[in-house]
Amino acid sequence: EAGVAQSPRYKIIEKRQSVAFWCNPISGHATLYWYQQILGQGPKLLIQFQNNGVVDDSQLPKDRFSAERLKGVDSTLKIQPAKLEDSAVYLCASSVTSGSGGTQYFGPGTRLLVL
Amino acid sequence: EDKVVQSPLSLVVHEGDTVTLNCSYEVTNFRSLLWYKQEKKAPTFLFMLTSSGIEKKSGRLSSILDKKELFSILNITATQTGDSAIYLCAHISNFGNEKLTFGTGTRLTIIP
Repeated sequence: EAGVAQSPRYKIIEKRQSVAFWCNPISGHATLYWYQQILGQGPKLLIQFQNNGVVDDSQLPKDRFSAERLKGVDSTLKIQPAKLEDSAVYLCASSVTSGSGGTQYFGPGTRLLVL
Repeated sequence: EDKVVQSPLSLVVHEGDTVTLNCSYEVTNFRSLLWYKQEKKAPTFLFMLTSSGIEKKSGRLSSILDKKELFSILNITATQTGDSAIYLCAHISNFGNEKLTFGTGTRLTIIP
């Protein structure tokens, strides 16, 4: 079974530029999560989708971050404009569905460096 | 707001030693506590603990939950260099969205 795919693996941009990350969850997984993990901290949930609907985006900085999952499969996370403090690893995870008992499978992440 | 605290923040031991990692939590609507191992970038699932006092075991790793005292421990016996990683503890809420709240992790380094 293929795992969660993410691209790119690394990205370096200058502040005020924009950047986009892509995630393809495990086939058949209805729930998709985006996490931000700053160095030395645990992952923090940014947004959760159930199929193509948003379940929780309470911690998403909506003035600069946006995410979509138009067809209920792939998802993109965008930052525009980026700030220095956005430097982090962005992890995508998926689970069969909410109510599956919590086993979320993580992708390899995208390491973002904002200069 | 749910809170998960892990200790120690980092630990360095020699190969063959036994280690115990701690996780305490203050949460509303407890459902389960999860342990993940993070090497390089992607956290990989280890255990889910829902019931108090029942040990989960996988090879040299084991974990147990104490719901009265609000903590969990992860034990690794006969450590190997491949156990070097960050170990994350996370709470999953009982709300429908099953949000994971992670601790800061324990960075474990095994010296050959």
